[in-house]
Amino acid sequence: AQKITQTQPGMFVQEKEAVTLDCTYDTSDPSYGLFWYKQPSSGEMIFLIYQGSYDQQNATEGRYSLNFQKARKSANLVISASQLGDSAMYFCAMRRGTGGFKTIFGAGTRLFVKA
Amino acid sequence: GAVVSQHPSRVICKSGTSVKIECRSLDFQATTMFWYRQFPKKSLMLMATSNEGSKATYEQGVEKDKFLINHASLTLSTLTVTSAHPEDSSFYICSARARERNQPQHFGDGTRLSIL
Repeated sequence: AQKITQTQPGMFVQEKEAVTLDCTYDTSDPSYGLFWYKQPSSGEMIFLIYQGSYDQQNATEGRYSLNFQKARKSANLVISASQLGDSAMYFCAMRRGTGGFKTIFGAGTRLFVKA
Repeated sequence: GAVVSQHPSRVICKSGTSVKIECRSLDFQATTMFWYRQFPKKSLMLMATSNEGSKATYEQGVEKDKFLINHASLTLSTLTVTSAHPEDSSFYICSARARERNQPQHFGDGTRLSIL
């Protein structure tokens, strides 16, 4: 069965410092995609970054990078130079690449950026 | 752990028909349910928030008469896409949150809707 685990319900980080949000997954599918979303208080789920299971390099998008360790089945999100506006809920998600369009989400990590 | 079941996982139907998607919380009482629409590799757009026993709160730009949301019980919310057209084809995801304070959202597996 597919599963996404985010073990950090809440995290604090000092402004301008880097922070890593953990995400581990479990799947038997060879093809899958990993996503990170940011959810501000408005409720919208803002797409941050995507990593395909066959991608050789770790995905990066501006201040966001995904530390993809396939053998360990982890896809941690690294936010560099944290900003106050980064305070939000962050969800890790996995979409199966074959046999349907199932997407599963982790429980989320609430990030608090301190001034 | 908490589970949210969304059904169907995929539906294909003709233009003009109405389609109902169910979202159930299987092992907790969900006082609040959220409906999202997702475009490929893009953000999940929040469509509406439904609270059990009251009318759903729709986000700006979402047609209330087009996307009917009913949250009749603490374990079930439904989204009905009325008179569906090809532009309604998308991936719809629900999530649910329990009544207790600071409880996380739990997501359904999503429904792929394809309108021919």
